[in-house]
Amino acid sequence: AQTVTQSQPEMSVQEAETVTLSCTYDTSESDYYLFWYKQPPSRQMILVIRQEAYKQQNATENRFSVNFQKAAKSFSLKISDSQLGDAAMYFCAYRRNSGGSNYKLTFGKGTLLTVNP
Amino acid sequence: DTGVSQNPRHKITKRGQNVTFRCDPISEHNRLYWYRQTLGQGPEFLTYFQNEAQLEKSRLLSDRFSAERPKGSFSTLEIQRTEQGDSAMYLCASSLGDSGPYGTQYFGPGTRLLVL
Repeated sequence: AQTVTQSQPEMSVQEAETVTLSCTYDTSESDYYLFWYKQPPSRQMILVIRQEAYKQQNATENRFSVNFQKAAKSFSLKISDSQLGDAAMYFCAYRRNSGGSNYKLTFGKGTLLTVNP
Repeated sequence: DTGVSQNPRHKITKRGQNVTFRCDPISEHNRLYWYRQTLGQGPEFLTYFQNEAQLEKSRLLSDRFSAERPKGSFSTLEIQRTEQGDSAMYLCASSLGDSGPYGTQYFGPGTRLLVL
């Protein structure tokens, strides 16, 4: 079974600064996707960024980028130029990409990010 | 796209009562997932539909839980004889396909259930 671990229950960052959220995972599969989702307080979960395991190039979406280390099974999220609206719970998630019928997401426990003005 | 919608957004019920939640996926998304999220935890998979077929259920889904997706459109999740341990956020997600970028799941706002 796949597991996802987020070792930082809480993080804080000053507005305009950069912060990195950590995520490690365990799987025996080679074909999979990794995701970061953001869940603001009392609001719905939204996709931040995704990474296909077979792609060596790290994904970027505007101020959000990942550092994907497949051999180390590490998938960190870097937020540059942090904004107050970035404050949220961030979840790292794993999904297989082949070889089965259930493509469910497996989530970590989340990291609560606070952005200080 | 109007996004995934869920109703009701909040539900308070007494132990032993039945409750039903509804999820409307993004139009043309034929995969639909239900997850449960308790306080301080990430969402956990409950069940999954491909069109109208329920393909897998988690062991978390006891016999008191039932889900349907008639005609492959909206889905309902019913909990019978609710227990206090059922208190949680119930999330619905949909995707266009299974794998690749089309397998990216988009979430609704959730239904927060409180069982007294």
